[in-house]
Amino acid sequence: DAGVTQSPTHLIKTRGQHVTLRCSPISGHKSVSWYQQVLGQGPQFIFQYYEKEERGRGNFPDRFSARQFPNYSSELNVNALLLGDSALYLCASSLWGSLNEKLFFGSGTQLSVL
Amino acid sequence: QKEVEQNSGPLSVPEGAIASLNCTYSDRGSQSFFWYRQYSGKSPELIMFIYSNGDKEDGRFTAQLNKASQYVSLLIRDSQPSDSATYLCAGANSKLTFGKGITLSVRP
Repeated sequence: DAGVTQSPTHLIKTRGQHVTLRCSPISGHKSVSWYQQVLGQGPQFIFQYYEKEERGRGNFPDRFSARQFPNYSSELNVNALLLGDSALYLCASSLWGSLNEKLFFGSGTQLSVL
Repeated sequence: QKEVEQNSGPLSVPEGAIASLNCTYSDRGSQSFFWYRQYSGKSPELIMFIYSNGDKEDGRFTAQLNKASQYVSLLIRDSQPSDSATYLCAGANSKLTFGKGITLSVRP
């Protein structure tokens, strides 16, 4: 069975541009969460979606948005990119989106903003 | 204020030793705690979770939770070079909050 897949694996953008990151959860998983991991830090929660509804949002500006599709895949969008947005963006899926569930992480998208 | 703190590290132990990784948290509403392992350049993978006060053992790993002291730890017995990685502690309340991680190096 395929794990959580993310695309693209690497991305280079310039300040002010927009980016879309994609995630496909494990088959049967209905919840997708997005995390930002800056080098040397732990992952920081951005969004959680369950059954296409936003279930949680972290402390990120409105430039960050996301959505979940009927097939449970998800997109993370970041507008007006800043240098500080350079990070590894991780997608994680789980069956029900319960906080006590195991999260399965994808390999991430490494975003560099120049 | 950081909600989950992992201030010790990096940690280096010889092969076969016990590695002790510590974590404190400030949110008393946190219900459960997780330890994730992250190899360099890879994504985190769950190795242990604990909900109740006390110890929980799984193979060479033991997680310990003390809610009164707001303290979580991970013990790795018989450490192996393959255990060399960054270990992330996370607490769950309304969201999952990770600490910055502790880098463990096991010397052959």
